[in-house]
Order: sequence, then C-alpha cells, then structure tokens
Amino acid sequence: GAGVSQSPSNKVTEKGKDVELRCDPISGHTALYWYRQSLGQGLEFLIYFQGNSAPDKSGLPSDRFSAERTGGSVSTLTIQRTQQEDSAVYLCASSLAVVSAGELFFGEGSRLTVL
Amino acid sequence: AQSVTQPDIHITVSEGASLELRCNYSYGATPYLFWYVQSPGQGLQLLLKYFSGDTLVQGIKGFEAEFKRSQSSFNLRKPSVHWSDAAEYFCAVGVGTGGFKTIFGAGTRLFVKA
Repeated sequence: GAGVSQSPSNKVTEKGKDVELRCDPISGHTALYWYRQSLGQGLEFLIYFQGNSAPDKSGLPSDRFSAERTGGSVSTLTIQRTQQEDSAVYLCASSLAVVSAGELFFGEGSRLTVL
Repeated sequence: AQSVTQPDIHITVSEGASLELRCNYSYGATPYLFWYVQSPGQGLQLLLKYFSGDTLVQGIKGFEAEFKRSQSSFNLRKPSVHWSDAAEYFCAVGVGTGGFKTIFGAGTRLFVKA
C-alpha cells in the first residue's frame, strides 16, 4: 500500500481480554517497528523486525506482549490478559533500510483502551 | 544504556520568533540522529536526519539541526516560527548494528502564540 496501515484504529476491551493489533508496512520495507505512546509520554520502543526475525525484543513490557511477522510483511502485536496500564496508542513504523538506519514511516496508530 | 533526553516538556514562542529545541543523547558509538514531528491528529513525520559528514543538517519546513559530538547534542532550530509549526517534536537516535533500533526522547510540545 501507499503507507503503513494499522488496524483497528480504535479498540476498547475489558480487562483480562486478549487483543491483536495489526500492521501492514509499506511494500518492500524490510524493517518493521512497534512503539507504544502513552498519554503525555514519548514513544516507548517495543520490538523491531528485520525481515521475519526480531533481533531485539527487549522493549516488550512483559510476557503478556508478543509479536510476530510473517512473510516479511504483515505484523501482529498481541497483548494477552490486558491490564488498564496497557491503554495507549500503539504505533507501527516501517523502514526501507537494509544496511543502515533510515527514515521510519509511521502508521496512524491503534488506540487501545482497557476498561 | 542508550537514551535520548529532551529537557523541555513544552515551549511557547511567538510567531516569527526563533526556535531552538534541545536534545541530548547517550550512546557510545557514532549515532544516527533524527528529529520527527507529530502534528495534532497526524502521524509522525521525519524532519531531518544526521548520519555523517556536515554537522549542520537541513530539513523540511525550514528546520535545521546541528550535531555537536563534544556535547552529545543534536538541537533543532528554526529562524522564524509559523503558527503551523505548533506540534510535538521528538528527537531520536538509531543505535545498534546499522543503527536499526531507534530510540525516541519524551518529546517537546511547541506552542505558538500570535
């Protein structure tokens, strides 16, 4: 597609439910990133993929968070047993860079509200 | 540990006045440095980036930034601010092999008064 697409744009869920957030990067972009932006906070790095592998998962807040990327394209971020503190905007970004860091292209985010 | 510090949570400037947003980073190697802008209701957009070479880099919308290795800083500047520049600005550093992991600062919100 023309840009990074994220779905759903808004998700309201009850505490304890599982949620899946989807990211469709720009075609041909090999790097894919997930960030979390809480109200009044900066962007918290969660995980990035180079192709289908995730060299750095150090930003995942807990083992309730997981992410996968298949076919070097679409990625899914899964949050199990959601908690109220998981409420945030989850941003996905992709990058064309293979060898060195390049410009990140961001989606508009998925706003998660946990009641 | 790698980190990015933006000491100013918010800044207010008058339209037409000059602007400088501060950014300091902590990273042992030569960093890849970026400034992004997030306008209300919009996604983040890259303003400019520094990889190597000339330490003064030009970006879009009339912004520039200067890399100062001795101060571990990468401050963003604009000589004359427009009301449309009101937004949140994020400094970021690319770390790790190839600079792939991009770490962002907490952001500085810019308010522009008439």
